[in-house]
Amino acid sequence: ETGVTQSPTHLIKTRGQQVTLRCSSQSGHNTVSWYQQALGQGPQFIFQYYREEENGRGNFPPRFSGLQFPNYSSELNVNALELDDSALYLCASSMDTKRWREQYFGPGTRLTVT
Amino acid sequence: AQTVTQSQPEMSVQEAETVTLSCTYDTSESDYYLFWYKQPPSRQMILVIRQEAYKQQNATENRFSVNFQKAAKSFSLKISDSQLGDAAMYFCAATQGGSEKLVFGKGTKLTVNP
Repeated sequence: ETGVTQSPTHLIKTRGQQVTLRCSSQSGHNTVSWYQQALGQGPQFIFQYYREEENGRGNFPPRFSGLQFPNYSSELNVNALELDDSALYLCASSMDTKRWREQYFGPGTRLTVT
Repeated sequence: AQTVTQSQPEMSVQEAETVTLSCTYDTSESDYYLFWYKQPPSRQMILVIRQEAYKQQNATENRFSVNFQKAAKSFSLKISDSQLGDAAMYFCAATQGGSEKLVFGKGTKLTVNP
């Protein structure tokens, strides 16, 4: 059984560019959630995908978008990058959307916007 | 909106001693779950312990235990026999709504002194 993996580990982008981050969920998990963790802060919920459909969204603008594929892996896309988008992006997978299931987190992608 | 507050930005403890990390939360929901996560410098968010709000008994996991005071909306983490490997950021989190969205506190940095 493999854990949650994310790619790339680090990347540097310029303001105004677009970026795609990837997440492979743990085997058997059909739900992926994305979080943004700014330096010195706790993670903030961006959105969740359940069986390829968005299942809840946090307070993030529409330039943050996502996809979930039939194999339940997921992408986070951010358009028109801003300096404040610099953060650690975490994805987490879970068995389903039931409240009591804990999420398993990936190691994160560190995004730097210059 | 649900909020989670960790009032101790930093804590330190001597190896083999006991330390307690504080967390308070605010929710209007009757059924929810509370978590403590550990984030070492490797960035991977690791679940330490989980508590279901409907259970009166405090959760324990080896050296880790919680003091859950539902009326006071308090959820503290006690680490006994502290080890050097316990040094990390600790985040308190709570579920919100019917999904697995987690709301995180800002974290407490724990230092373990040899």
